[in-house]
Amino acid sequence: SYEVTQPPSVSVSPGQTASITCAGQNLGDKFVCWYQQRPGQSPVLVIFQDTKRPSGIPERFSGSNSGNTATLTISGTQALDEADYYCQAWVGRTVVFGGGTKLTVL
Amino acid sequence: QVQLQESGPGLVKPSQTLSLTCTVSGDSINSGDYFWSWVRQPPGKGLEWIGHISYTNASHYNPSLKNRITISADMSKTLFSLTLTSVTAADTAVYYCARVGFTYGHIPYWGKGTLVTVSS
Repeated sequence: SYEVTQPPSVSVSPGQTASITCAGQNLGDKFVCWYQQRPGQSPVLVIFQDTKRPSGIPERFSGSNSGNTATLTISGTQALDEADYYCQAWVGRTVVFGGGTKLTVL
Repeated sequence: QVQLQESGPGLVKPSQTLSLTCTVSGDSINSGDYFWSWVRQPPGKGLEWIGHISYTNASHYNPSLKNRITISADMSKTLFSLTLTSVTAADTAVYYCARVGFTYGHIPYWGKGTLVTVSS
């Protein structure tokens, strides 16, 4: 079955750019979205259709997807962005989640 | 505004069957263009997609759980349900219901989640 892989953790300094990757075979041929999850809360969609931001999501969140890698980029990272982030691929009408990346804002 | 609410027992004994219901408001299950999905998250771990059902009753399941799960929908009552048989401690998790976009597979709407513990 199809799998996508994320790094377990990423650290970033406040104000800097954080990049979280999601790797999968020919992932660029599939639709990818990203979720932010804070402790004790339901996931929140931050990017869908590879690059689109839902209403209410700050512009500092952006996404890309090409080849075998999708990337979530957070520009000007703020302390409130510290959370777990999950990528998700849409594969033959099924949902495939990555293992999640803990973003620490130091 | 679409809202989803999970309900069901918080404690299930090993080898028994877990049953959860998701009540949908602000939308209709038979409106098309969506899948109605279940996702779970074991304590301290990542998200795991369980499966989903469309308004045509077409369903897709996670291959790792396929033999134990059934997802059904009651279109008239705008609710859908999950049944998971032969549960073990590994099935202990927060269970979320969610709405999945038909074309892009994204999930903009999630329930608050309900913790189900498998223990004797």
